[in-house]
Amino acid sequence: DGGITQSPKYLFRKEGQNVTLSCEQNLNHDAMYWYRQDPGQGLRLIYYSQIVNDFQKGDIAEGYSVSREKKESFPLTVTSAQKNPTAFYLCASSPLRGPYNEQFFGPGTRLTVL
Amino acid sequence: GENVEQHPSTLSVQEGDSAVIKCTYSDSASNYFPWYKQELGKGPQLIIDIRSNVGEKKDQRIAVTLNKTAKHFSLHITETQPEDSAVYFCAAKATDSWGKFQFGAGTQVVVTP
Repeated sequence: DGGITQSPKYLFRKEGQNVTLSCEQNLNHDAMYWYRQDPGQGLRLIYYSQIVNDFQKGDIAEGYSVSREKKESFPLTVTSAQKNPTAFYLCASSPLRGPYNEQFFGPGTRLTVL
Repeated sequence: GENVEQHPSTLSVQEGDSAVIKCTYSDSASNYFPWYKQELGKGPQLIIDIRSNVGEKKDQRIAVTLNKTAKHFSLHITETQPEDSAVYFCAAKATDSWGKFQFGAGTQVVVTP
């Protein structure tokens, strides 16, 4: 099956800890994205990447870091510097070719800080 | 920057009735408008999209209309069913801003039997 997988589905973190959220896609998409979703709000872009070893900050990058060592993988680290990390995190991917770049989303990871 | 406003934030309809969600965008360069359906605890799924060279698109019970002059687009769901209950998001993007979608805040649709 082609698609985007995220793991874990649920993640609990103690204050002061860094955690890494996994995102893998087998759609052969060049671009990948991380969004944060809070209750009653739209999706806010954290980081995005067009190609391997290159990524750009989105609208709310502070307290987060990413890497793009492989085309298929785009892990997100939520650092202790992120002051309010409890949220639902969504990974997405899209092709670069073509004018519309439809985005496809993974199932999400719910992070809770204890 | 671009902004997308979505209304209403919640929508309750009786099964069999129609549901309409409206979005307004600000960037006149926007030319691609997807709609996503998100069920509880899951990621958004693309259900329909419209591009600026058409005014309306239908897919079974779902339709989307676009008014570029007024900068708004709408999602119409006819003959609603309980499984249509979800959060619906609109989005907008210009072709020269690859990947950088602007999303609406979402509409919680509840279809009551």
